[in-house]
Amino acid sequence: ETGVTQTPRHLVMGMTNKKSLKCEQHLGHNAMYWYKQSAKKPLELMFVYNFKEQTENNSVPSRFSPECPNSSHLFLHLHTLQPEDSALYLCASSQVAGGGDTQYFGPGTRLTVL
Amino acid sequence: SQQGEEDPQALSIQEGENATMNCSYKTSINNLQWYRQNSGRGLVHLILIRSNEREKHSGRLRVTLDTSKKSSSLLITASRAADTASYFCATDGEYGNKLVFGAGTILRVKS
Repeated sequence: ETGVTQTPRHLVMGMTNKKSLKCEQHLGHNAMYWYKQSAKKPLELMFVYNFKEQTENNSVPSRFSPECPNSSHLFLHLHTLQPEDSALYLCASSQVAGGGDTQYFGPGTRLTVL
Repeated sequence: SQQGEEDPQALSIQEGENATMNCSYKTSINNLQWYRQNSGRGLVHLILIRSNEREKHSGRLRVTLDTSKKSSSLLITASRAADTASYFCATDGEYGNKLVFGAGTILRVKS
């Protein structure tokens, strides 16, 4: 295991639902990331947090709302999603937010929007 | 936006053979990393090579970097069925501190 956990592992939701994805890292890292992985597309960076501060929002629609209460926890709040939002959502952490740092990934949450 | 592009998109080999995957990128980089992803799982870091390095080894993995050609290769020697996975290169440099991933190479090792 990488030291990064994600819950739930699978989520099915309707377009009018509100749900949250949770990520926790046990590595003492200061940076956390949300990525979206859709079929046959490259991994897309969504958000970056460094020392609890958001440093990157990669033009993500407002129906995705991240929250980072501390350096160990990261949430992704979901509301009024679209079917095209169905994907694998991956959380990662690194020592600090820098490309030179190795990123450690969680197992992902497989999201299906009906 | 996509920085690295892996080639081939898919590769199927017999157990014991070597597997070579290539990554090309567009701009200058600080370093390049290779990751592996088993089906439907998270990515696992394999190796990092800095822009001033030309070759790096880790167990059965050998990575080369040619900054003049803006390309890298990942060689897996004596492949095993457990090496079946998707392999991604990731680069930083152009987009500040962001890692940008390629679309990946799907490797299948047949036993």
